[in-house]
Amino acid sequence: QVQLQQSGAELAKPGSSVKISCKASGYTFTSYYISWIKQTTGQGLEYIGYINTGSGGTNYNEKFKGKATLTVDKSSSTAFMQLSSLTPDDSAVYYCARGRTGSGDYWGQGVMVTVSS
Amino acid sequence: DVVMTQTPPSLSVAIGQSVSISCKSSQSLVYSDGKTYLHWLLQSPGRSPKRLIYQVSNLGSGVPDRFSGTGSQKDFTLKISRVEAEDLGVYYCAQTTHFPPTFGGGTKLELK
Repeated sequence: QVQLQQSGAELAKPGSSVKISCKASGYTFTSYYISWIKQTTGQGLEYIGYINTGSGGTNYNEKFKGKATLTVDKSSSTAFMQLSSLTPDDSAVYYCARGRTGSGDYWGQGVMVTVSS
Repeated sequence: DVVMTQTPPSLSVAIGQSVSISCKSSQSLVYSDGKTYLHWLLQSPGRSPKRLIYQVSNLGSGVPDRFSGTGSQKDFTLKISRVEAEDLGVYYCAQTTHFPPTFGGGTKLELK
């Protein structure tokens, strides 16, 4: 069955970076893009961007350019998102989802990122 | 960005009751291919969002036909007939016609 397994919760200091992963199984990884979504209580759901898992090409929501960097490792069927120069506003749950639109049929379980000194 | 406005923000319902949720967009969601990329998601407590309906009215895999979606252009509705306990959670509409995709603020469905 299709699964997107995300890495564990992160506690990071302001100014640092984190890299979270999304490992796909149960389907041909390179047949679907992977998108990333941020969820906070205040801002709700926000679309970050997507990565073409075959070519590595990316497209970002303007709001997250410079904040998020999406990469992929086809050999392990894993997509990654690095968040840099972290601030408390980056504290959120981050989801990966199958497909490039962020409204796909399969989602990961989410990763809680907490930014605190 | 396209603004998605959902109403009401919360609903209190009894099991077996029918409910409707409204979603309005700031721009038409008809894409150049003629299709309308408006979707509905449900986030059950403690879970990831799950897609219920895609492209206005198409049920996702395994979604019961108690759920139905209607609408066009900028005005859309999700209807749940005969609410069951498993339907409780937060419902989101989402548009993927325009980049970036955007989501409504959510409608929390609770038990009366």
